[in-house]
Amino acid sequence: QKEVEQNSGPLSVPEGAIASLNCTYSDRGSQSFFWYRQYSGKSPELIMFIYSNGDKEDGRFTAQLNKASQYVSLLIRDSQPSDSATYLCAVNRGYQKVTFGIGTKLQVIP
Amino acid sequence: DAGVIQSPRHEVTEMGQEVTLRCKPISGHNSLFWYRQTMMRGLELLIYFNNNVPIDDSGMPEDRFSAKMPNASFSTLKIQPSEPRDSAVYFCASSFSGDYNEKLFFGSGTQLSVL
Repeated sequence: QKEVEQNSGPLSVPEGAIASLNCTYSDRGSQSFFWYRQYSGKSPELIMFIYSNGDKEDGRFTAQLNKASQYVSLLIRDSQPSDSATYLCAVNRGYQKVTFGIGTKLQVIP
Repeated sequence: DAGVIQSPRHEVTEMGQEVTLRCKPISGHNSLFWYRQTMMRGLELLIYFNNNVPIDDSGMPEDRFSAKMPNASFSTLKIQPSEPRDSAVYFCASSFSGDYNEKLFFGSGTQLSVL
């Protein structure tokens, strides 16, 4: 079992729709969870982080965490073509060891 | 701040040659990470340092890979001898380390091609 699992996609959504990206992790001791966005040919950049169960909202982005189910998700409301990128889920398993999923490629269709 | 600076941006070399990748972390950050990214395996953590000390190198593929951090503002990742399967994008990232809040800032990466 991979430490951090994501569907590689692509996930295609029409402009203006809600994009839902999902991630599961294997280590129950994981403490913090991150979403990075990576445009093609560029480096990853942090867009959201969450430490506690529940939802965390920042603009059009909402991160959701369910530690009992070992599940993290990212919702992007009012999706724009500029949101088209690969979204990487990352988990801090302790002692600064940050592990990434393979990433989900999102395509927003105008 | 200039961000994390990596060099070179692109490296093309022949199998068997030594390759050295360089990284300057963000000033004030005390943790530094080396990752390798391929289409098949995604981002893999190779090694990370805290306060210039290597903490975990379990991700280093084999003895051909070595990394150093002689001071807080410089790190190198060396591959000797290089092999075609080492071809990938190598990212350096830095963070200000706290309890479980590792917000990583990535450099632009080095695209390595071993022929």
